[in-house]
Amino acid sequence: SSELTQDPVVSVAVGQTVSITCQGDSLRSYYASWYQQKPGQAPVLVIYGKDNRPSGIPDRFSGSSSGNRASLTITGAQAEDEADYYCNSRDSSGNHLVVFGGGTKLTVL
Amino acid sequence: QVQLQQWGAGLLKPSETLSLTCAVSGGSFSDSYWTWIRQPPGKGLEWIGEINYRGGTNYNPSLKSRVTMSVDTSKSQFSLKVTSLTAADTAVYYCARDYHKYPYTWFAPWGQGTLVTVSS
Repeated sequence: SSELTQDPVVSVAVGQTVSITCQGDSLRSYYASWYQQKPGQAPVLVIYGKDNRPSGIPDRFSGSSSGNRASLTITGAQAEDEADYYCNSRDSSGNHLVVFGGGTKLTVL
Repeated sequence: QVQLQQWGAGLLKPSETLSLTCAVSGGSFSDSYWTWIRQPPGKGLEWIGEINYRGGTNYNPSLKSRVTMSVDTSKSQFSLKVTSLTAADTAVYYCARDYHKYPYTWFAPWGQGTLVTVSS
């Protein structure tokens, strides 16, 4: 299957921990990458590989995976983390084409 | 640090052809794939396709019949053409550097995005 499924909406209180999940068969083969997108801006990579953060991404962002499921965790969410989050992987059926999750709108209360 | 700058026409009519270009600066053009992604207003991300410096391409099967990507290595640029446009092609189009080596894949950095509106 080439689909990645995300919960459309997730909320968290400031300072609390939240996990955003991504599910799909391709995650059994490829690590997920995660992108943060704020209104009117281009997406920004926040997690890639096993659990890697690009330069400039706060260490409250972390990633994990197990089986066909990947998670992005924000430990101690801040108001500025309110955004849309997308996961990404590649089709594991042989052609290795790109797939995106439908996105999760994170609200920080 | 790699930076991407993209440009192209923003208002097109149905049946016309979209043409966008993305220029790469601050890094090697030949050590990556380069990709195009679009986002219809209020919707999620849709991968269009990718190209390497030698011109090798992979396209989203849903768009393959209308999409052509090309590279100009002398200018460190890559381009996208989408033919037979309809209103459903209205979206913000992004270019991005595309890293993929099994089992890893990610896109960074991204261009600033170009809003393409298809309307008569």
